[in-house]
Amino acid sequence: GAGVSQSPSNKVTEKGKDVELRCDPISGHTALYWYRQSLGQGLEFLIYFQGNSAPDKSGLPSDRFSAERTGGSVSTLTIQRTQQEDSAVYLCASSLVGGSSGELFFGEGSRLTVL
Amino acid sequence: GENVEQHPSTLSVQEGDSAVIKCTYSDSASNYFPWYKQELGKRPQLIIDIRSNVGEKKDQRIAVTLNKTAKHFSLHITETQPEDSAVYFCAASKTSGGYNKLIFGAGTRLAVHP
Repeated sequence: GAGVSQSPSNKVTEKGKDVELRCDPISGHTALYWYRQSLGQGLEFLIYFQGNSAPDKSGLPSDRFSAERTGGSVSTLTIQRTQQEDSAVYLCASSLVGGSSGELFFGEGSRLTVL
Repeated sequence: GENVEQHPSTLSVQEGDSAVIKCTYSDSASNYFPWYKQELGKRPQLIIDIRSNVGEKKDQRIAVTLNKTAKHFSLHITETQPEDSAVYFCAASKTSGGYNKLIFGAGTRLAVHP
């Protein structure tokens, strides 16, 4: 596709439910990132996938958070037993490894609201 | 791991004035320092970046400077315009063999008043 695509764009869920957020990166981009942006806050690193290497999960805030990337393309971020503090915009980005620029291309984000 | 601190958190200037945003990083091995601009309700977009082998880079009204010894870098915007109003994020990473894990600062909300 032309850009990074994320779905759903908005998700409202009840506390304790599980949610899945999807990211479809730019074709050919081998690096994929998830960041979390709470209201008015910065970009908090969650997880980084780089080609076939083991993902860098050092930013995941708890074991309720997990992510996978199938076939080196689409990624899913799963949050189990959601809590109100999980409410935020979850941003996915991808980049072309090996290029002259390390530019990240962001999706529009998935806004998660936990009631 | 890398930690990036950014100041100020908010900045208000008059149109035509200059704006400066400063960041410090903790990992001396970091070698790539981009700046992203996020307009209200939109996704962050790269506006300029610098690598550790240069001290300054300019692109029209924006410039970035890097002081490796002090581990800090700054964004300078001259002749500010209302459309410069946005949140600006600095970031740092240690790129090696294609590895590029970007850690962002907390952001600076810039308001340019006509």
